[in-house]
Amino acid sequence: NAGVTQTPKFQVLKTGQSMTLQCAQDMNHNSMYWYRQDPGMGLRLIYYSASEGTTDKGEVPNGYNVSRLNKREFSLRLESAAPSQTSVYFCASSEWGRSTDTQYFGPGTRLTVL
Amino acid sequence: AQKITQTQPGMFVQEKEAVTLDCTYDTSDQSYGLFWYKQPSSGEMIFLIYQGSYDEQNATEGRYSLNFQKARKSANLVISASQLGDSAMYSCAMREGPGNQFYFGTGTSLTVIP
Repeated sequence: NAGVTQTPKFQVLKTGQSMTLQCAQDMNHNSMYWYRQDPGMGLRLIYYSASEGTTDKGEVPNGYNVSRLNKREFSLRLESAAPSQTSVYFCASSEWGRSTDTQYFGPGTRLTVL
Repeated sequence: AQKITQTQPGMFVQEKEAVTLDCTYDTSDQSYGLFWYKQPSSGEMIFLIYQGSYDEQNATEGRYSLNFQKARKSANLVISASQLGDSAMYSCAMREGPGNQFYFGTGTSLTVIP
């Protein structure tokens, strides 16, 4: 089992460029998440998908779009990158609904926008 | 209001000593889960320990224990017999149930001194 995988691991963009971060999980989880992590701020939720076919905004959705392609895959798109989107991005997955279930994280993508 | 508060940005502990990392939470739900994650300098998020709101006993996982005080809404992580490999960022999180969002604190950076 690979768990949660993310690609790419590193990316440098110029302001205004677009890109898609890919995430896949092989644990048959229903829920998937995208977070960003900035120094001193902890993990902040961008978007999440409670189950296949649904997506919801989190705390900081502006400037991002998501697609839940199927049960395994959840992608995050930056349509027009801005320097404020320089961050480390984590994808995670979990079972749906029960407060007892933890999240499992991917290795992260370090994005720099110049 | 913050759902999760970690008031210690940085902590130091001598090797082989115990250390307590503080976490308080805010929820009106009766059912919720509390989680601690470790993030070493390599960047990955590692699940450490879980405490359910209905659990009467404090959770333990090896050298990790969770000091759960429900009335005070605190869920402190205790690491016994600290090791150099424990140096990392530690994040407290909560999941309200039934629900799919996790709420994270800003983290505590722990440094173990030889």
